[in-house]
Amino acid sequence: AQTVTQSQPEMSVQEAETVTLSCTYDTSESDYYLFWYKQPPSRQMILVIRQEAYKQQNATENRFSVNFQKAAKSFSLKISDSQLGDAAMYFCAYRGLFQGAQKLVFGQGTRLTINP
Amino acid sequence: GAGVSQSPRYKVAKRGQDVALRCDPISGHVSLFWYQQALGQGPEFLTYFQNEAQLDKSGLPSDRFFAERPEGSVSTLKIQRTQQEDSAVYLCASSLVGSSTDTQYFGPGTRLTVL
Repeated sequence: AQTVTQSQPEMSVQEAETVTLSCTYDTSESDYYLFWYKQPPSRQMILVIRQEAYKQQNATENRFSVNFQKAAKSFSLKISDSQLGDAAMYFCAYRGLFQGAQKLVFGQGTRLTINP
Repeated sequence: GAGVSQSPRYKVAKRGQDVALRCDPISGHVSLFWYQQALGQGPEFLTYFQNEAQLDKSGLPSDRFFAERPEGSVSTLKIQRTQQEDSAVYLCASSLVGSSTDTQYFGPGTRLTVL
C-alpha cells in the first residue's frame, strides 16, 4: 500500500520570504500523480499544485513550485514571497494511475504560519 | 452553487444514534469520494462512486458505515449506532470523470461530534 509522510508538523516563515515543505512517499508503482492541497481554517481543501511522475520537469504555479525527486521518492513544495493568505494546513497526497486507484492518499499535514 | 456542498456543516450526536451526512457534488461530475479526517490528521479514504455504482468501499471502517448515491448525483453517508471514535470531519469530493488525471474538488466538510 502507498504511504505519504510529512515530517514537519508545523512550519513558520516571515511574510515575503520563502519556505519549503517536505513530503516523502512510498510506492511500488512507476507512474502516479502527486499533489499538494491547502486547507485553510474554513476547512475547504484546495488544490495547489500537481505533478505527474512521468514528467521530469518540476511543476510550477505562480509562487508555488515543487522539487520532485522520483528516485528518492521526495516531493517538496516551495512557496516564494509568502503571503498572509498562505497560512493553512498543507497536505501532500498521492494518487495511482491505474483503474481502481482513484483515491487520494494523504500525509499527516504541515501547519504553515506566516509571521507579518 | 458552483462548488461541492455538504450538509449539515456541524452535527452533534449522542452515542448510539444514527446520522446521515449529505453531499451535493458539482453538477455533471461523475465521480464522488468520501473521506474521514480525524482532528489534526490528513483525510483518509472511505468510499468512491462512479455515477451510482459504488466501485470502492475498502475504507469504510465498519459495517456501521453505509454510503449511497442512488441517482448518480447526491450522495449520503450514513453512520449507524455512532461511537465516540466516529467523531471527525467527513469530507466529500467530486471529479468530472473517472480518470486518474481528474482533479478532485472538495466540499467544506461536516464536523461530526459524538458525545
